[in-house]
Amino acid sequence: DAGVTQSPTHLIKTRGQQVTLRCSPKSGHDTVSWYQQALGQGPQFIFQYYEEEERQRGNFPDRFSGHQFPNYSSELNVNALLLGDSALYLCASSSPSGGSLETQYFGPGTRLLVL
Amino acid sequence: GENVEQHPSTLSVQEGDSAVIKCTYSDSASNYFPWYKQELGKGPQLIIDIRSNVGEKKDQRIAVTLNKTAKHFSLHITETQPEDSAVYFCAATKGGSYIPTFGRGTSLIVHP
Repeated sequence: DAGVTQSPTHLIKTRGQQVTLRCSPKSGHDTVSWYQQALGQGPQFIFQYYEEEERQRGNFPDRFSGHQFPNYSSELNVNALLLGDSALYLCASSSPSGGSLETQYFGPGTRLLVL
Repeated sequence: GENVEQHPSTLSVQEGDSAVIKCTYSDSASNYFPWYKQELGKGPQLIIDIRSNVGEKKDQRIAVTLNKTAKHFSLHITETQPEDSAVYFCAATKGGSYIPTFGRGTSLIVHP
């Protein structure tokens, strides 16, 4: 049973650039959430996708956008990168039909460094 | 919104000792409380969870307790082993939201 996968594992960008991160949910899951984890902090919720629509959004600017595809995989896009966007970006999946919607399973994350 | 406080930020124990991590939450509508373990360079891994209709849950060396009245919950690890060394996060999820609010984490160090 494949878990949540994310790509790439590491990424280095410069200020002002744009970045796209990718996530494939756990097998059987149809809901994907994205989180930002700064060093020494807990994960902060960015947004959640279900049925290819953004269902909930945290307190993040519009520079952060996303997409969910028909196969439930998802992308996180960040435009006009700032130094403060450097963090570990985590994807989590959950399944309202197969079980608990509250229970989220995390991927290994993408480490983004903005120079 | 929900606010989750977690203590201590760092916990150092000897192998075989017990470890306790405590969290408090602010929103009485929260009804689901997962705990995650995050090893260096990895994503958080769910280790145990508890719902508001249950006061205690155990899974081998790990147990979680919940006091709804006081709005606090705790993680207990018995007979700690060096491989338990990691950062542990508590979280609280409001009913209907399905989005957890995380604490700031506890770095547990188990000395052999």
